[in-house]
Amino acid sequence: EAEVAQSPRYKITEKSQAVAFWCDPISGHATLYWYRQILGQGPELLVQFQDESVVDDSQLPKDRFSAERLKGVDSTLKIQPAELGDSAMYLCASSSQGGTSGGTYNEQFFGPGTRLTVL
Amino acid sequence: AQSVTQPDIHITVSEGASLELRCNYSYGATPYLFWYVQSPGQGLQLLLKYFSGDTLVQGIKGFEAEFKRSQSSFNLRKPSVHWSDAAEYFCAAGGTSYGKLTFGQGTILTVHP
Repeated sequence: EAEVAQSPRYKITEKSQAVAFWCDPISGHATLYWYRQILGQGPELLVQFQDESVVDDSQLPKDRFSAERLKGVDSTLKIQPAELGDSAMYLCASSSQGGTSGGTYNEQFFGPGTRLTVL
Repeated sequence: AQSVTQPDIHITVSEGASLELRCNYSYGATPYLFWYVQSPGQGLQLLLKYFSGDTLVQGIKGFEAEFKRSQSSFNLRKPSVHWSDAAEYFCAAGGTSYGKLTFGQGTILTVHP
């Protein structure tokens, strides 16, 4: 069964350092999501891509976070510089269809996540 | 603002007992509704979803959920809990176009033998 791949699974870094996470969605899935899950809370959307375009990054702290999906396939989420409050699980998800208007909702499939600890 | 509330942070049940996890939503229109399960250190697995139609939906692992529009609720149930059901459960809601999910805070389920 196809799965969403993420790496690394665990990352420990010191504050002010740069970190990057990688996500490979299920083949053929046009929509890719990055969520952040703080311990004890539900996931919160950071950024959503439709192919290579960003369709929602309203909750992305753009002063330190960036995300790209250059060829509309895999994606990288970067934090620079990392802060203590960035410690969380970063989840990637993909779905086969999405858009900015109308359309049918399709199930989001989640990867195993990257657990980030900032010291 | 759109929101999903799970009133119970932690629930403990005995193996074989019935289970009900509560979920309430606040949305402009009836959203698409989901229940996910997350084992420690893992990603999220979809248990079931409601889009429209029959308000009682069946999912995997013997779970079911009932949509009640009048109560803005989508509670998850299982008639007999197994020790392997111990995990954290998230209720989520999505709009009709963007596909963004809004999650509740989660309910941790502990199962006693």
